[in-house]
Amino acid sequence: TQLLEQSPQFLSIQEGENLTVYCNSSSVFSSLQWYRQEPGEGPVLLVTVVTGGEVKKLKRLTFQFGDARKDSSLHITAAQPGDTGLYLCAGLDYKLSFGAGTTVTVRA
Amino acid sequence: ETGVTQTPRHLVMGMTNKKSLKCEQHLGHNAMYWYKQSAKKPLELMFVYNFKEQTENNSVPSRFSPECPNSSHLFLHLHTLQPEDSALYLCASSQIAGPKNIQYFGAGTRLSVL
Repeated sequence: TQLLEQSPQFLSIQEGENLTVYCNSSSVFSSLQWYRQEPGEGPVLLVTVVTGGEVKKLKRLTFQFGDARKDSSLHITAAQPGDTGLYLCAGLDYKLSFGAGTTVTVRA
Repeated sequence: ETGVTQTPRHLVMGMTNKKSLKCEQHLGHNAMYWYKQSAKKPLELMFVYNFKEQTENNSVPSRFSPECPNSSHLFLHLHTLQPEDSALYLCASSQIAGPKNIQYFGAGTRLSVL
């Protein structure tokens, strides 16, 4: 059983569409990180959310931390081919625990 | 370019071979990490070094042997690996060790064990 469950596992959409990926856990985290890993590269940190209910925006990406600090979502508006990649969430308590990721493909 | 360079990028080896993975960071960090990334599975932390000292070994089989000669370089020596060890091996660094410190990842070494 994984500590962090990410859904969906795969997502393929057309350019211009919106998408949401989820990161869920039964554990409470002090903070939660989102990474994007492009093909052939390592993960790159996008954002860290710390406060329950916190919403952070990074251009067309909106990150939300659940009120109970057990879950998070990433919403992408008007997706572009450059958004293609593996999106990983990682929860921080006494260690950093990663989810298995959501593979997002944006078709031109 | 994240400042963390891994070589080689791809490696194919037989189960009886001995090979080494190399990681170098140019960020002035003091902590370095090895992770294993397998398809459809979460990143698995293998080893952590802080100021050249190993501070974490997450029950990794002895066929994986890390070496950290200084804070900028990290090696992973491989011998008598199994096919299930095929994966992407990622190196990361941070200012100091600890989950609260932002980690910067290299591009990884894609390892195939035949």
